[in-house]
Amino acid sequence: SQKIEQNSEALNIQEGKTATLTCNYTNYSPAYLQWYRQDPGRGPVFLLLIRENEKEKRKERLKVTFDTTLKQSLFHITASQPADSATYLCAPQDSSASKIIFGSGTRLSIRP
Amino acid sequence: DSGVTQTPKHLITATGQRVTLRCSPRSGDLSVYWYQQSLDQGLQFLIQYYNGEERAKGNILERFSAQQFPDLHSELNLSSLELGDSALYFCASSVGATGNQPQHFGDGTRLSIL
Repeated sequence: SQKIEQNSEALNIQEGKTATLTCNYTNYSPAYLQWYRQDPGRGPVFLLLIRENEKEKRKERLKVTFDTTLKQSLFHITASQPADSATYLCAPQDSSASKIIFGSGTRLSIRP
Repeated sequence: DSGVTQTPKHLITATGQRVTLRCSPRSGDLSVYWYQQSLDQGLQFLIQYYNGEERAKGNILERFSAQQFPDLHSELNLSSLELGDSALYFCASSVGATGNQPQHFGDGTRLSIL
């Protein structure tokens, strides 16, 4: 069955460093992959979408890569700030979006 | 503000009861998605509607049903409630029906079953 794996352990990073989060998927070939941020008690907020024919996408301090051979996406936050502390969810999706699957998320904590 | 409105924000009820959760999508969005998020669990996709028609179905229990009305708002009905149904229920909307669309989430309805 389709499976998505994100870092199950929380990630603790010093302010100013680059945070790198991993999303691995198995048993399907998504055409798109989305990343969301979720704060406690709030709904997820869309951050970036990357297509299978794009290797990398950037938005301000965020960078996402998509390796369809490794079946993996990496999400980077450069010059991290305490305000970046949140849970980050990945959602690989096929083109028909017949089934929407989110990873369980990685909790990121940026310490001053 | 995502533009997606969910009501009520909190709901407390007892086992065996029935509740209705309501979602108004962002203006211009035709798709509505429903998700369940329990403590320590990820977002579980329940069902998607696009322009009034059911588009995709996830792990939705038979006790749960949903619909999307002509004005595009949606309702999720949960019946014969059990303790395990306690969770945050999110609604999201997107412009189109397929996976290349960002989803915009409401802030959820927190359902507590006593």
